[in-house]
Amino acid sequence: DQQVKQNSPSLSVQEGRISILNCDYTNSMFDYFLWYKKYPAEGPTFLISISSIKDKNEDGRFTVFLNKSAKHLSLHIVPSQPGDSAVYFCAAQAGNQFYFGTGTSLTVIP
Amino acid sequence: GAGVSQSPRYKVAKRGQDVALRCDPISGHVSLFWYQQALGQGPEFLTYFQNEAQLDKSGLPSDRFFAERPEGSVSTLKIQRTQQEDSAVYLCASSQDRGSYNEQFFGPGTRLTVL
Repeated sequence: DQQVKQNSPSLSVQEGRISILNCDYTNSMFDYFLWYKKYPAEGPTFLISISSIKDKNEDGRFTVFLNKSAKHLSLHIVPSQPGDSAVYFCAAQAGNQFYFGTGTSLTVIP
Repeated sequence: GAGVSQSPRYKVAKRGQDVALRCDPISGHVSLFWYQQALGQGPEFLTYFQNEAQLDKSGLPSDRFFAERPEGSVSTLKIQRTQQEDSAVYLCASSQDRGSYNEQFFGPGTRLTVL
């Protein structure tokens, strides 16, 4: 059963606007949450993470929000740029294991 | 380069053949992970090494899958008697140390197609 879910397979956003990517999880024992970005024919690249004891982490244009009561996290990208177009994976860590969602393909329209 | 490398990048095998996929992690990285990514899915955990010790192999889908890292650096994922359902991208990732959290660096993956 999928422990990490990304229910939106794709998202299109105009350049300069905010992109919001969502992720839901089922296991309350996850201790870290991560976002990865993936271009075609490349491996995923780490973007930003958040500890389960925090509710927000910001790094430049990227902010991750964690709502533990709702078991939901989101990645905000603002302003969105065409180079942000990629597949974004949400992941959750429990011990040595990392659980990934199915990805959201973001297209930023110039 | 200094990143994680994997070889071959593409592998086509006939059903029943054995295959071996290689991962060269970043030098000095203690932890090494293997993932299987089926089409349209996210990466799924297969196994984890800390140096040469395979500490978790709970994600290996069957006893046809075997991984090793004998000297604590290069790792090989072997799949015996390949089946069509083994077709996927196999990703390797390494990280510096096993702490509470350490960033994983992924290789480009090996795309395995079983005919």
